[in-house]
Amino acid sequence: EAQVTQNPRYLITVTGKKLTVTCSQNMNHEYMSWYRQDPGLGLRQIYYSMNVEVTDKGDVPEGYKVSRKEKRNFPLILESPSPNQTSLYFCASSSRSPDRGPNTEAFFGQGTRLTVV
Amino acid sequence: GESVGLHLPTLSVQEGDNSIINCAYSNSASDYFIWYKQESGKGPQFIIDIRSNMDKRQGQRVTVLLNKTVKHLSLQIAATQPGDSAVYFCAENDYAGGTSYGKLTFGQGTILTVHP
Repeated sequence: EAQVTQNPRYLITVTGKKLTVTCSQNMNHEYMSWYRQDPGLGLRQIYYSMNVEVTDKGDVPEGYKVSRKEKRNFPLILESPSPNQTSLYFCASSSRSPDRGPNTEAFFGQGTRLTVV
Repeated sequence: GESVGLHLPTLSVQEGDNSIINCAYSNSASDYFIWYKQESGKGPQFIIDIRSNMDKRQGQRVTVLLNKTVKHLSLQIAATQPGDSAVYFCAENDYAGGTSYGKLTFGQGTILTVHP
């Protein structure tokens, strides 16, 4: 089954304690991205990657890091989490398709609800 | 249309009615416009997209209309069912050709509630 898998689904942590949210896709997609979703603000892109070892900032990258060492994995790293990073996080992947534009049909994971206290 | 702020627009319909969800987009350079559905506890799911050189595209029970003159996008759902209850997001991609993927930017969402 084609899917994007995020772990963990829920995480409560304390301010300053480094954490990593993993993301893996099995569709051989080149493009992967991370979003955060906050009430009333929709989804905002944190970082994205167009291929292995190619990453770039999205709209809200402050306080986050990513890496893309393998095509299937795109972990999100919070080196020193703060309470304003409490949010619902989504990883997504997409590719080019002959039927539609690139990065229009994004496949999302189930989400990671992070609480930083 | 979708609004700025903490309160999402809402739409309540009866089962079997047709639903129309509206979205105002901002980027005239966007080349693709997309609708996503997000059910409670799940990630967004692609519904349908339309390219900027089209004004209408139909899928299964859904139709997307694009009016570039007024920067307006709408999603029509025919014979709405309780399973259609979700938050619907419009999104735009500013893909400009070549090897890029363009940036996918989401609106703030509309809550659709379908009453049996």
